[in-house]
Amino acid sequence: GAVVSQHPSWVICKSGTSVKIECRSLDFQATTMFWYRQFPKQSLMLMATSNEGSKATYEQGVEKDKFLINHASLTLSTLTVTSAHPEDSSFYICSARDSSNSGRTSDTQYFGPGTRLTVL
Amino acid sequence: GESVGLHLPTLSVQEGDNSIINCAYSNSASDYFIWYKQESGKGPQFIIDIRSNMDKRQGQRVTVLLNKTVKHLSLQIAATQPGDSAVYFCAENKGNQGGKLIFGQGTELSVKP
Repeated sequence: GAVVSQHPSWVICKSGTSVKIECRSLDFQATTMFWYRQFPKQSLMLMATSNEGSKATYEQGVEKDKFLINHASLTLSTLTVTSAHPEDSSFYICSARDSSNSGRTSDTQYFGPGTRLTVL
Repeated sequence: GESVGLHLPTLSVQEGDNSIINCAYSNSASDYFIWYKQESGKGPQFIIDIRSNMDKRQGQRVTVLLNKTVKHLSLQIAATQPGDSAVYFCAENKGNQGGKLIFGQGTELSVKP
């Protein structure tokens, strides 16, 4: 249980195009999902908190107009990198927080497998 | 960002030995701590967690110790195996921050057969 998927697992795009990454909780509901970015040999940096049915909360320094987040259902959040540039190339990881109290600690976040974005 | 490391600390151990990975956290208000394992090209995998009202918690081959006085967390892996080779991150959760996790810089564990 507690599986989070991401799609695509990797994507290559041209500079100036937009890319959408999906994050799904497969066997639980998640009112809150989180988006992280990770550069090689570095830690995970939280970009934003995605809340189902409301606007995302962005961390300081993260451009909300560039990284569009939509949390349309209890099992899906999407991150769209708009007008991508080579410096946006990174490993993007989402996590989902279990909304229920069905035997799992409600604070626990379950991570997706990540999406490798390469912008040419 | 709140936690960025340009160089991952590394720990090299012999197969079968015990491993101890350390982490210093930043906020005395944090009340929940988690250790994650991340293999190359994959997302973090939950290992074990501990709440601030405890100082020790054991799992299968892993033990987490929490010292709130010096804001220090450690992960002990018993009888380390080659499959344990990965980067290990500690993360802290401030209870009133909507579940946000702040990650430490990570430690790369290398297990020699």
